[in-house]
Amino acid sequence: NAGVMQNPRHLVRRRGQEARLRCSPVKGHSHVYWYRQLPEEGLKFMVYLQKENIIDESGMPKERFSAEFPKEGPSILRIQQVVRGDSAAYFCASSPFQTRDETQYFGPGTRLLVL
Amino acid sequence: KQEVTQIPAALSVPEGENLVLNCSFTDSAIYNLQWFRQDPGKGLTSLLLIQSSQREQTSGRLNASLDKSSGRSTLYIAASQPGDSATYLCAVRQGQAGTALIFGKGTTLSVSS
Repeated sequence: NAGVMQNPRHLVRRRGQEARLRCSPVKGHSHVYWYRQLPEEGLKFMVYLQKENIIDESGMPKERFSAEFPKEGPSILRIQQVVRGDSAAYFCASSPFQTRDETQYFGPGTRLLVL
Repeated sequence: KQEVTQIPAALSVPEGENLVLNCSFTDSAIYNLQWFRQDPGKGLTSLLLIQSSQREQTSGRLNASLDKSSGRSTLYIAASQPGDSATYLCAVRQGQAGTALIFGKGTTLSVSS
């Protein structure tokens, strides 16, 4: 049983470039969450998606950031025109359809470094 | 706005010691609370999930308690081992299943042999 997979694990970009982070949820999970962990900070929620729908994007910056979870394939977090302040670890979590004992399963993260 | 605080930020103990990690939250109207472990450069591993109606959960040497009315949770680790060295994160879910987790900054534990 494969867990949540994220790639790449490490990504280096220069200012102004685009970053694409991929997340493959646990097989059978239809809910995906993205979190960001800035240096010396706790994890902060960014966006929650179900297949083909964005449910809650209240934690995602309004500009330069977008997310999708298509019917087929991984969820993508896209950051356009990256700046140094985007350097962080980005974690994806998935969960099955809603149950009372729902647990979010986290991937290993993508560590983005903007030069 | 919900805020989650973890004290202490760092803790060093000798092997074999029992220890308690603390987590407090400002809004007691939570759905559940979860404790995670994060190893350096790695993702998060869920340790224990406590529903709002529960008082505690146990898994092996770990015991987590929840006092919702006072906005506190503790993670008790018995007979600590060097392999327990990691950062421990507390997170609360404010609404029903499907809403995001709100995390504390974590307690970094170091267990020396």
